[in-house]
Amino acid sequence: AQSVTQLDSHVSVSEGTPVLLRCNYSSSYSPSLFWYVQHPNKGLQLLLKYTSAATLVKGINGFEAEFKKSETSFHLTKPSAHMSDAAEYFCVVSARGAGNMLTFGGGTRLMVKP
Amino acid sequence: ETGVTQTPRHLVMGMTNKKSLKCEQHLGHNAMYWYKQSAKKPLELMFVYNFKEQTENNSVPSRFSPECPNSSHLFLHLHTLQPEDSALYLCASSQDGRQLVNTEAFFGQGTRLTVV
Repeated sequence: AQSVTQLDSHVSVSEGTPVLLRCNYSSSYSPSLFWYVQHPNKGLQLLLKYTSAATLVKGINGFEAEFKKSETSFHLTKPSAHMSDAAEYFCVVSARGAGNMLTFGGGTRLMVKP
Repeated sequence: ETGVTQTPRHLVMGMTNKKSLKCEQHLGHNAMYWYKQSAKKPLELMFVYNFKEQTENNSVPSRFSPECPNSSHLFLHLHTLQPEDSALYLCASSQDGRQLVNTEAFFGQGTRLTVV
């Protein structure tokens, strides 16, 4: 079994300040972890993925995430928020032992204030 | 542009209508998925096809009927829907999910369905 918890349903930051979106996962297997972003009325776009290589993963648009097995976390960060980062972000887990099915977190809506 | 195209982008239908959603991918993937995204709910997996065979039906009501004629195309046939079926329906594709690990999915832009 596997699950994902995104600890904040809404996060609000000012433009130019750091972004932290929190994600904790649970999996009985060695997981792969992903972050997707969804802009209004759009599909989901892959930001980055962790695949058991380097624990610090760099993605598109300046985002990165660190896999911490001891904390079962995969938090998404960005040093400086931009207005265009306003969107919904989904943390996702999959595992071969779970048939590679993607399990989605509930999403975090990021708002960026000018 | 993710390589996954969904049509139509928007659909309004009455409860007695029959309509179909279409999804097409040219990524050479062998697995395709339908997801339902409702307001204030987590993304719900509806159906999974691997190599044109349905491998997952997540307790979806029979008024939703999927069809996968080949690995590049996926349809969702709709009939006698209810207003609570109004949602964004997302199609996705990936490499063969049964064999490979670390398989991310590529999503279409979705069809916004409104049932009146």
